[in-house]
Amino acid sequence: EVQLVESGGGLVQTGGSLRLSCEASGFTLGNHWMNWVRQAPGKGLEWVANIKRDGSEEFYVGSVKGRFTISRDNAKNSLYLQMNSLRAEDTAMYYCARVSWSPSDQKDGYEGPYRNFDYWGRGTLVTVSS
Amino acid sequence: DIVMTQSPDSLAVSLGERATINCKSSQSVFWSSNNRNYLAWYQQKPGQPPKLLISWASTRESGVPDRFSGSGSGTDFTLTISSLQAEDVAVYYCQQYFTTPPGYTFGQGTKLEIK
Repeated sequence: EVQLVESGGGLVQTGGSLRLSCEASGFTLGNHWMNWVRQAPGKGLEWVANIKRDGSEEFYVGSVKGRFTISRDNAKNSLYLQMNSLRAEDTAMYYCARVSWSPSDQKDGYEGPYRNFDYWGRGTLVTVSS
Repeated sequence: DIVMTQSPDSLAVSLGERATINCKSSQSVFWSSNNRNYLAWYQQKPGQPPKLLISWASTRESGVPDRFSGSGSGTDFTLTISSLQAEDVAVYYCQQYFTTPPGYTFGQGTKLEIK
């Protein structure tokens, strides 16, 4: 069974740092692009960052560029999000989400990120307060 | 960036009736090379993470009831629930996965309730 379990959230002061982790099980992490998506309290979904299968490419939403760093350790089945210079507007539930890689993608040799998110973790809550 | 706009923001429908949610993208998410629309729909129930319902604008995921259907192409898409059940109360999001480099965007969400 595919599972994604986030951890590392908590209360942090403005300007502080936090490192989130996402432990993957039930599938080979290295076969999938992975993402972090956040949801502020009572608000909608916002994609934050993603990372290529082997960790060689990363992309970020503009509001976190230069402050957040996504990384992964496929040998440890883990995805990470290092968050620095935290602001009140970073307060949110943070989800890790897997990019789909279907049997037809495998057959066609497609390994890109342009697919939906087929599995999500339950999230870890980050609260940034002064 | 592609902006996704859903309508309405909230919707109340009687049990057994049809619910329709619209999603409009600021530019086309259709790629003619493979004849696909890079558009997904998710359902989020209170206290839960989003769940993928539909990919490629109209392909229902395994295990999703057939009362859920997706349609549309280019910039205009629709999620339809043919006969609303109590367990369908949720917020529904559309998402585009077309942008290069990858920068997925979601609609603002539509809250579906029972009338």
